[in-house]
Amino acid sequence: EVLLVESGGELVQPGGSLRLSCAASGFTFSNYGMSWVRQAPGKGLEWVATINGDGINTHFGDSVQGRFTISRDNSKNTLYLHMSSLRAEDTAIYYCTHDAQYDNIFWGQGTLVTVSA
Amino acid sequence: DIVMTQTPLSSPVTLGQPASISCRSSESLVHSNGKTYLNWVHQRPGQPPRLLIYKISNRVSGVPDRFSGTGAGTDFTLKISRVEAEDVGVYYCVQATQFPRTFGQGTTVEIK
Repeated sequence: EVLLVESGGELVQPGGSLRLSCAASGFTFSNYGMSWVRQAPGKGLEWVATINGDGINTHFGDSVQGRFTISRDNSKNTLYLHMSSLRAEDTAIYYCTHDAQYDNIFWGQGTLVTVSA
Repeated sequence: DIVMTQTPLSSPVTLGQPASISCRSSESLVHSNGKTYLNWVHQRPGQPPRLLIYKISNRVSGVPDRFSGTGAGTDFTLKISRVEAEDVGVYYCVQATQFPRTFGQGTTVEIK
């Protein structure tokens, strides 16, 4: 069974930093590009970032470019999202998911990040 | 960036009746490898999203055959032949032909 379990979301002040983690199991993690997708309260889905299987290539949405980085540790089957210079508009549920190019895509339950003073 | 436009944004449907959602992309979703990376995702209230259909028309294992996807190039459609109560929620199209990946605004399906 494929499982993606996010963690690390919390209340953080504007300008602060946070690292999200996603523990993966049930598939060969290093074979898959992985993404973070977020959903602000009451809003739609927004793609945040993607990293390829070996961690060499990364892509970011314009709204987070230069502030967020994505990384992975294939020895630990874990995906990360490093967020800095956080803004109120970064408040959202952050989902870990397979890159959308695959035929079988799973989503985690999400972790809530709240940016507020 | 490729803009994904869904219509309608809201679809009240009677149980047992069909529903249809359109998704239009601002440019062709045909990848240089010949494949078209257009997926449909469903999100029930309070739940994470789940993939329904990938590459235009391929249902994920376990998805009922009342769901079907069609289309090509820039115009795509998700159809539900007979809506059931469990089908409520928001449906999103998403393109993965190029970066940035982009989602449609979402279409809310609700029971009349």
